[in-house]
Amino acid sequence: AQKITQTQPGMFVQEKEAVTLDCTYDTSDPSYGLFWYKQPSSGEMIFLIYQGSYDQQNATEGRYSLNFQKARKSANLVISASQLGDSAMYFCAMRAEGRRALTFGSGTRLQVQP
Amino acid sequence: DADVTQTPRNRITKTGKRIMLECSQTKGHDRMYWYRQDPGLGLRLIYYSFDVKDINKGEISDGYSVSRQAQAKFSLSLESAIPNQTALYFCATSDPDSTNEKLFFGSGTQLSVL
Repeated sequence: AQKITQTQPGMFVQEKEAVTLDCTYDTSDPSYGLFWYKQPSSGEMIFLIYQGSYDQQNATEGRYSLNFQKARKSANLVISASQLGDSAMYFCAMRAEGRRALTFGSGTRLQVQP
Repeated sequence: DADVTQTPRNRITKTGKRIMLECSQTKGHDRMYWYRQDPGLGLRLIYYSFDVKDINKGEISDGYSVSRQAQAKFSLSLESAIPNQTALYFCATSDPDSTNEKLFFGSGTQLSVL
């Protein structure tokens, strides 16, 4: 079975500072992909970033980077220079090889304070 | 703009009623999914379909059924709604030929069962 754990139900960060959202995963499959999605208060799900298990480099997309530590089975999302518009729920998800759909964590609510 | 459209956006119904949530997409993707979101639980997979003739149960399929009427249409039915089916429901699609096969989500249907 595959499982995603997000241990931070809520986080606060000051505007312009960096923040790390934690995600650990469990799978026995050697090949898998890790995803982060953002859900603003309006409710839509927005794809942020992807990391493949065999990717040599940590993924980056603008202010988002994924701190992938394979041995520790962690895939933390780092948001640099936080903005008020970053306030949202953030979900970590995984698809393992041979699995047919994404498994999601329980989410972290991030609030950016001015 | 290619999109994933869910109808209705909001629905209030009574216990025991049969209701249908509809999803249509113009992305041309073969793969479609239904998830439900509950506070503190993240998104959980209800059903998924990889083509018109392929229907698969997810982790929480009890009390639900689906129909894949065409490549572009995937509907979710609650045969006899109960209050603990109150949730935010998402339809999603994916393209297996893409690099990461990320999910594209509809805007969600907020369902309340009284």
